[in-house]
Amino acid sequence: GENVEQHPSTLSVQEGDSAVIKCTYSDSASNYFPWYKQELGKRPQLIIDIRSNVGEKKDQRIAVTLNKTAKHFSLHITETQPEDSAVYFCAASEGGGADGLTFGKGTHLIIQP
Amino acid sequence: EAGVVQSPRYKIIEKKQPVAFWCNPISGHNTLYWYLQNLGQGPELLIRYENEEAVDDSQLPKDRFSAERLKGVDSTLKIQPAELGDSAVYLCASSITGGTEAFFGQGTRLTVV
Repeated sequence: GENVEQHPSTLSVQEGDSAVIKCTYSDSASNYFPWYKQELGKRPQLIIDIRSNVGEKKDQRIAVTLNKTAKHFSLHITETQPEDSAVYFCAASEGGGADGLTFGKGTHLIIQP
Repeated sequence: EAGVVQSPRYKIIEKKQPVAFWCNPISGHNTLYWYLQNLGQGPELLIRYENEEAVDDSQLPKDRFSAERLKGVDSTLKIQPAELGDSAVYLCASSITGGTEAFFGQGTRLTVV
């Protein structure tokens, strides 16, 4: 089955700086890679995703890049703000959608004022 | 539109006792998931339903866990008997069939003492 590794487990950055979270996956058949954000005590919510036929996708201050050859993908957050503080989970799916998601262990992003 | 609703939010039980969690998915979402989230970990799929059929229950510990989704709408996850190691957050999620986004509920935090 799929195995998703996520690093780092904790990331502390100064407000306004950029943050990068990296994930690797094991199954070359995986073709859909979402990122979920979970604020303290709240439900995970999808913030951005990318399919295997795309190398990069941006949405305002967040972007995701995918390297299929190396089987890794990354989340980039620019101009970080206090509300970016949360746990971020990457995931991979063979099915191309929400079914069959394998999640990483999460990165706790801390934005220092 | 109401999101995925789970109850109870918190449950404390003694080991060897039974416990049940309830989930009401978003209206129109045929796919329903139960995930287990241990502290500091990402969600792990327990079971996935398409309407009333369990299409993936390979990770469900069937000796003590059971689930049902009668009428293809609400779902119940049961543990009997509970063990100390079952203490975790149980997340329910739903999506449209073939959709990319899983919508999560707030989860039920189970503590077994």
